[in-house]
Amino acid sequence: DIPMTQSPSSLSASVGDRVTFTCRASEDIDKYLNWYQQKAGKAPKLLLYAASTLQSGVPSRFSGSGSGTDFTLTISNLQPEDFATYYCQQTFSAPHTFGQGTNLEI
Amino acid sequence: QVQLVQSGGEVKKPGAAVRVSCKASGYTFTDYGFSWVRQAPGQGLEWMGWISAYNGHTRYADKFQGRVTMTVDTSTTTAFLEVRSLRSDDTAVYYCARYPRFGVVFHDFWGQGTLVTVSS
Repeated sequence: DIPMTQSPSSLSASVGDRVTFTCRASEDIDKYLNWYQQKAGKAPKLLLYAASTLQSGVPSRFSGSGSGTDFTLTISNLQPEDFATYYCQQTFSAPHTFGQGTNLEI
Repeated sequence: QVQLVQSGGEVKKPGAAVRVSCKASGYTFTDYGFSWVRQAPGQGLEWMGWISAYNGHTRYADKFQGRVTMTVDTSTTTAFLEVRSLRSDDTAVYYCARYPRFGVVFHDFWGQGTLVTVSS
């Protein structure tokens, strides 16, 4: 298994801020890294795949980078609807493990 | 439009089994597979395994091996998850999510989730 570690576990920010989350893999996963957003009581929503490819329909204020073991998700100009929990997931090898999540709070 | 519609919530006793369905529509069923992901109350996402809708091949996470079975029915474009020998810590929302048959694996559409409660 490839454990995924996200940091921080929670983050407070304000509308208009720029925030960055980190996801670290325990071994090299190339660029097989996805980011999801989840709001309370809802299914996760795909934001980015292959580390930096924006999913169709996702606002361009979301961006991702990284390869190997270290990855980042950046949200610029935070909007009220962005306050949620964010998960990374590696799909380099099964089991396709998720990070523990980062809770973005107002 | 793509839709994954899951079956309704279930309440089960410890030791019982549960079967959750995921009805797919709006795309070519065999061009995608399904992962099953669960989320215990207040917890994160846990990948359980996946199944190809093209050939039915499966891979389960080690902790679920022997206790879960994933199947697909191409005639009804439905995926199924069965979990046996339920325990209280299996109480969770269970999600199906599709992934493309070829290329990079990601989950672009998810079911709405099915709450399975295990309680005596």
